[in-house]
Amino acid sequence: DVKVTQSSRYLVKRTGEKVFLECVQDMDHENMFWYRQDPGLGLRLIYFSYDVKMKEKGDIPEGYSVSREKKERFSLILESASTNQTSMYLCASSHAGAGANVLTFGAGSRLTVL
Amino acid sequence: AQTVTQSQPEMSVQEAETVTLSCTYDTSESDYYLFWYKQPPSRQMILVIRQEAYKQQNATENRFSVNFQKAAKSFSLKISDSQLGDAAMYFCAYTLSPNTGNQFYFGTGTSLTVIP
Repeated sequence: DVKVTQSSRYLVKRTGEKVFLECVQDMDHENMFWYRQDPGLGLRLIYFSYDVKMKEKGDIPEGYSVSREKKERFSLILESASTNQTSMYLCASSHAGAGANVLTFGAGSRLTVL
Repeated sequence: AQTVTQSQPEMSVQEAETVTLSCTYDTSESDYYLFWYKQPPSRQMILVIRQEAYKQQNATENRFSVNFQKAAKSFSLKISDSQLGDAAMYFCAYTLSPNTGNQFYFGTGTSLTVIP
């Protein structure tokens, strides 16, 4: 069964800590995405990557960075966590190329920053 | 800018009845794709149905069907014979024709309750 795996379902961190959220997909997808999900705001794109070592800013990149050293792994980094980054974080991946690029999502990582 | 609007934050339906979730979008493009995703409580987001804008025929997947009105930029989801397992948050999404790194735009979601 193909899937997107997010390393942590629940995390609790303190303000100022560095936080790593890891995402691995086993579908050989070219594109990978990090979304933030908040009630009433839907899903907002933080960063995406269409190739190894490539990254593009989404709608809300401030306070976040990403790393894609291998095709299957896309990491989201909060350099100095703040309370307004408490949220659900969703990783997704998709194929590039022809056809409707269906997103496959991970289970999500719920981050609480105290 | 591309936007997706879901005007119904919450909906409810009686088990076995039919419910329609609304979605409108704004784009100047002529070729794009539309999706409905389902997120059950504490579970993974999964694809329900998708529609290519160049196709006039409405997509259907078992009990799920869409009403795609391209001129009106409307893309509603109809769930027939609602089941308890249909209770979830539903998100409408849009993406342009496929190319490397294309973005997906999501609405704010509709929370569907199914009443036994």
